[in-house]
Amino acid sequence: DAGITQSPRHKVTETGTPVTLRCHQTENHRYMYWYRQDPGHGLRLIHYSYGVKDTDKGEVSDGYSVSRSKTEDFLLTLESATSSQTSVYFCAISETYSGNTIYFGEGSWLTVV
Amino acid sequence: TQLLKQSPQFLSIQEGENLTVYCNSSSVFSSLQWYRQEPGEGPVLLVTVVTGGEVKKLKRLTFQFGDARKDSSLHITAAQPGDTGLYLCAGEESSASKIIFGSGTRLSIRP
Repeated sequence: DAGITQSPRHKVTETGTPVTLRCHQTENHRYMYWYRQDPGHGLRLIHYSYGVKDTDKGEVSDGYSVSRSKTEDFLLTLESATSSQTSVYFCAISETYSGNTIYFGEGSWLTVV
Repeated sequence: TQLLKQSPQFLSIQEGENLTVYCNSSSVFSSLQWYRQEPGEGPVLLVTVVTGGEVKKLKRLTFQFGDARKDSSLHITAAQPGDTGLYLCAGEESSASKIIFGSGTRLSIRP
């Protein structure tokens, strides 16, 4: 199994509060991703990173920000959580962006009440 | 945003039966991957296909990439309860170097 650790694994928070999800990898892969998974929508890319301090938006980036200060860590922040951000969040890594295996973490279940 | 449509969305069959699930799009993909996801876990890669018409086999699972590289199928022979899970396809769009995921087929195999 790829060395990807997500924390927290489960969180319940109130609307309007900030939330940060953490992803830590031990594989030294260049690319890191944050996806959300919702019924009927599959996996949708929120943001991704192609190196330290190098990030870009995915298809559902509104309301989210990311930071990558070290190769091994990729943080996803919800500045002011909303109920529509209740979801399962997956961190993923790959050596290159295209044509490569994407390895996923075990997921973080976030409920915004 | 181009969509990857998977069908059926849900499938429940008896152990020992055969099944096929489909992944279709109007986009051309440079590669397509199939993942399986079990409850409470992240998706795990099963196979990558890159050539139009390519067929790959993984034990009882047969994956085919369409000739035009716009679609793919996954055929399972003699399904077993251990095949239960969510099957996701993911395509890398040739024109945009962008990876998109289908919404998945949730498969349940009854003993």
